[in-house]
Amino acid sequence: GNSVTQMEGPVTLSEEAFLTINCTYTATGYPSLFWYVQYPGEGLQLLLKATKADDKGSNKGFEATYRKETTSFHLEKGSVQVSDSAVYFCALTVNTGGFKTIFGAGTRLFVKA
Amino acid sequence: SAVISQKPSRDICQRGTSLTIQCQVDSQVTMMFWYRQQPGQSLTLIATANQGSEATYESGFVIDKFPISRPNLTFSTLTVSNMSPEDSSIYLCSVEGVNEQFFGPGTRLTVL
Repeated sequence: GNSVTQMEGPVTLSEEAFLTINCTYTATGYPSLFWYVQYPGEGLQLLLKATKADDKGSNKGFEATYRKETTSFHLEKGSVQVSDSAVYFCALTVNTGGFKTIFGAGTRLFVKA
Repeated sequence: SAVISQKPSRDICQRGTSLTIQCQVDSQVTMMFWYRQQPGQSLTLIATANQGSEATYESGFVIDKFPISRPNLTFSTLTVSNMSPEDSSIYLCSVEGVNEQFFGPGTRLTVL
C-alpha cells in the first residue's frame, strides 16, 4: 500500500539553526512528493514538490530531493527563522485509477528567537 | 492554480445538530475532495466527489453521517450530521491540479 512516515515532533530549534525533517514513503507506481505547511490558525499551503526521481523542490529557502533509491524526501533549510514555526506535512500522490494524496502525520516546528 | 473558498470559516454547534459546509472553486474541476483534520492530527480523506455521480467514501466514513452534494463543476457541500464532540475538527475542501492538490482554508468546527 501507499504510506508516508515522517519524523515525530515537536522539533525545537534556535533561530538560524539548520533544519532537517525526515520523510520516507512506500508507494505503488510512481508517486509525486510534496511538502505542505500549516501556519498557526491557517489552512494548508503547498511548500514544494517533486514529481520524479532526483528532482529537487525548493521554495522560501526550503529544499527536498526525491530519492527513489532510499524512498525519501527529507525537508531541509539552512537557517530557520521564527516565522518558520508551523506544522509540516510530507505527502505523496499516486494516480492509479484514482487520484489520491496520502499525508504523513505532520511535524511541528518551533523556532526560538 | 485554483482558488478555493469555504463557508463558514468556523462554527460552534450543539450536539445532535447538523452543519453544511460549502466549497467554491474559481475554475471547473472534475474531482473535489473532502478531508478532516482532527486536533493535532494529520489529514484524513473523507470522500471524493465527482460531478453527476455519488461521492466515493473512504473506509470509516459513511454517507448518512457525511452527505455530500456536487451539483456542478465549481461547487460542493459537505454536511456533518447528528454531530457529537468527536466531530470537532477542521474540514478541508481540495481539488486536483497538475501533479498537486489545492486546498481551501478549512472550516473549523467545534461541537459542544
